[in-house]
Amino acid sequence: EDQVTQSPEALRLQEGESSSLNCSYTVSGLRGLFWYRQDPGKGPEFLFTLYSAGEEKEKERLKATLTKKESFLHITAPKPEDSATYLCAVQATTGGFKTIFGAGTRLFVKA
Amino acid sequence: SQTIHQWPATLVQPVGSPLSLECTVEGTSNPNLYWYRQAAGRGLQLLFYSVGIGQISSEVPQNLSASRPQDRQFILSSKKLLLSDSGFYLCAWSVNRLGGYTFGSGTRLTVV
Repeated sequence: EDQVTQSPEALRLQEGESSSLNCSYTVSGLRGLFWYRQDPGKGPEFLFTLYSAGEEKEKERLKATLTKKESFLHITAPKPEDSATYLCAVQATTGGFKTIFGAGTRLFVKA
Repeated sequence: SQTIHQWPATLVQPVGSPLSLECTVEGTSNPNLYWYRQAAGRGLQLLFYSVGIGQISSEVPQNLSASRPQDRQFILSSKKLLLSDSGFYLCAWSVNRLGGYTFGSGTRLTVV
């Protein structure tokens, strides 16, 4: 069964304290992996798509990387406005185009 | 530019009442449209998707239905709400079925 597991469930950082969020996945074949940011009470906002192992994408303080079994979202020198829930999702090459979402990591950045 | 509108933002409905949530997309044609439900601490659950007018695919059998009467309009309905229908409902669209989605702002539904 295709699965997506995100860890940790919650992460508390001080402003400027860099860290990484993990997304591990189990799929028969990866079509694409997606990262989203979700603020409380709002819809998710698309951040990145990664397609193959070794690929990296960057946006401001965020950098997403991909291996054959997991993806990391690295946050460099975070600011309080980076506080949000970060969702990971995968789309497999089998089972149609179904996208499976992880439960997310809630990030809190304190000034 | 493309925009997605979803309403209402919040809704409190009694058990057994009907439901209609509407989603519209502007600035694109023939989008792929999706309805998701998000429960606290759990991943988004795909409810329905549509690749064209009148074409609806259901992912999870339940008390809900969806319709696409126009190219850029997607409606989520129920004839009789259950307590278990409470949740955060999200509409989304994409250019094709591969790739990231653009989500609406969501509807918080509470069934009482």
